[in-house]
Amino acid sequence: DIQMTQSPSSLSVSLGDNVTFTCEASENIYGFLAWYQQKLGKAPKLLIYGATNLEDGVPTRFSGSGSWTNYSLTISSLEPEDIATYYCQNNHVYPLTFGSGTKLEIK
Amino acid sequence: EVQLVESGGGLVQPGRSLKLSCAASGFTFSNYYMAWVRQAPKKGLEWVATISTSGSRTYYPDSVKGRFTISRDNAKSSLYLQMNSLKSEDTATYYCARRRRNTYDYWGQGVMVTVSS
Repeated sequence: DIQMTQSPSSLSVSLGDNVTFTCEASENIYGFLAWYQQKLGKAPKLLIYGATNLEDGVPTRFSGSGSWTNYSLTISSLEPEDIATYYCQNNHVYPLTFGSGTKLEIK
Repeated sequence: EVQLVESGGGLVQPGRSLKLSCAASGFTFSNYYMAWVRQAPKKGLEWVATISTSGSRTYYPDSVKGRFTISRDNAKSSLYLQMNSLKSEDTATYYCARRRRNTYDYWGQGVMVTVSS
């Protein structure tokens, strides 16, 4: 199985910050990488697919990058509604494994 | 508007069975692969099962293979998850999700399953 390692596990941030967190796959997933946002008590929401493609309706302050085994999600100028946990997901091969998440907290 | 509404959760004893349902609306259900994803309390996300558009192909991780069965009724726009031989580690919120490009673009609100004696 492909292991997805996210770092950091949590991050203290201030509103207006530019924030980047990473996801590393245990083997090449050829850009088949998705990012999800999950707010407390809610279902996950798709943000990015294919490593770099913004889902319809997602604010342009979110962006994804990466290839091979290393991927990142950047939030430019953090807004209050961005406080959440973010998960990456391998969607290259089954089993479709998720990372363990990065939780954003306000400083 | 796409809607996915899960039902059927609850408290069940270890070793027993439970069947979850997901009612879909707002899209042509038969055109999409569908999946179940779960989240144990205060834990991350775990993919549980995927089913093809016709239902002829199903996929499971090793953790549930042989115990869980995903199925669908396209005439009713409904997705199901039959869970047998339940274990305490199956305790989680179970989400129904629509698959698109191998990602999950719409999710239900989730249904809680607690396995405990």
